[in-house]
Amino acid sequence: EADIYQTPRYLVIGTGKKITLECSQTMGHDKMYWYQQDPGMELHLIHYSYGVNSTEKGDLSSESTVSRIRTEHFPLTLESARPSHTSQYLCASSEYGEEAEAFFGQGTRLTVV
Amino acid sequence: GQNIDQPTEMTATEGAIVQINCTYQTSGFNGLFWYQQHAGEAPTFLSYNVLDGLEEKGRFSSFLSRSKGYSYLLLKELQMKDSASYLCAVRRRMDSSYKLIFGSGTRLLVRP
Repeated sequence: EADIYQTPRYLVIGTGKKITLECSQTMGHDKMYWYQQDPGMELHLIHYSYGVNSTEKGDLSSESTVSRIRTEHFPLTLESARPSHTSQYLCASSEYGEEAEAFFGQGTRLTVV
Repeated sequence: GQNIDQPTEMTATEGAIVQINCTYQTSGFNGLFWYQQHAGEAPTFLSYNVLDGLEEKGRFSSFLSRSKGYSYLLLKELQMKDSASYLCAVRRRMDSSYKLIFGSGTRLLVRP
């Protein structure tokens, strides 16, 4: 069983609020990812990291930011939430290596009203 | 650029066999993954192919042809619990880093 956790699972928040979505993994993985997924739609990579102090933008432009101060922790922050940010956010991690699959957290379903 | 195509939806009967196709166009190809995702849940890993051929794992098998940019996931002896979305994902090598890019997924409905 994968040990990657996201909090909160569900969040309803007002426009303009600052929010941080937490993601932690206890597997010692160097690689971590954030994906955004609307219901019934594909996963879009929005951020990734290959280790401490490494962060890169993904393929889908996002107003969110991430940080990687510790190997196990990869939080995502929205400085000012908007209704267009309503979506599911999935965090994942993997080892380095050819066959390393990504393990996903349960996701955070964000609704901005 | 990159492009991953899968059928949007498929329907099959319990006990039958279903094949879900995935075609891709990408530079720096470095492996193809299949994931299963039940509604409202996180994707879970099913299979990985990096060389041409068939990988079998219980009721699930995955095939890859790199020259054709083509993969399929084969599900045998379908069970009702196999109703889910099946995501094809391509790992792309970029300089010294990798990115995992997902297709839009195929929603499979298994009927009694």
